[in-house]
Amino acid sequence: DGGITQSPKYLFRKEGQNVTLSCEQNLNHDAMYWYRQDPGQGLRLIYYSQIVNDFQKGDIAEGYSVSREKKESFPLTVTSAQKNPTAFYLCASSISAGYYEQYFGPGTRLTVT
Amino acid sequence: AQTVTQSQPEMSVQEAETVTLSCTYDTSENNYYLFWYKQPPSRQMILVIRQEAYKQQNATENRFSVNFQKAAKSFSLKISDSQLGDTAMYFCAFMNWVDSNYQLIWGAGTKLIIKP
Repeated sequence: DGGITQSPKYLFRKEGQNVTLSCEQNLNHDAMYWYRQDPGQGLRLIYYSQIVNDFQKGDIAEGYSVSREKKESFPLTVTSAQKNPTAFYLCASSISAGYYEQYFGPGTRLTVT
Repeated sequence: AQTVTQSQPEMSVQEAETVTLSCTYDTSENNYYLFWYKQPPSRQMILVIRQEAYKQQNATENRFSVNFQKAAKSFSLKISDSQLGDTAMYFCAFMNWVDSNYQLIWGAGTKLIIKP
């Protein structure tokens, strides 16, 4: 089955620690995205990557970092510089950057205390 | 700034009824795409329907259809014969080419509850 996997589903960290969220896709999609979802708000774009070894900042990139070393993988690191990291994080992919629908993973709920 | 507005935070209808979710957007562009996504309690985001702005015909997918009014910048979603499994958050999203990048702008969502 083709799809997007995110692990783990729930993640707990202490304040001041960096944490990396996993996102893997086997859809052979070129473009991948990371979104943050907070209650009562729409999704906000953190980072996106149109091709391997290339990525761009989205609207709320501060305190986050990414890498795209392989086409199928786009991990997101939430650093200690992110002031309010507790949120639901969604990874998505699309055939390529453009007017294509995005397909989403099941998400990771990160709680930082 | 381009924005997407969903004016109904929450709606509820009886099973088998028809419900319409509203969405308006603001843009000065002429070419763009619009999407409706569904997020059930599992929180998996699922594409429901898409509409290309250059197409006058409204998109339909089984029980789901849209009413796209380009001049009014309105993109409502109609769900016919609603089912319990339609209970979810529904997000309207708008994509266009801005500053050399494709941007997907999201509304805040409408919580839809289907009552048995």
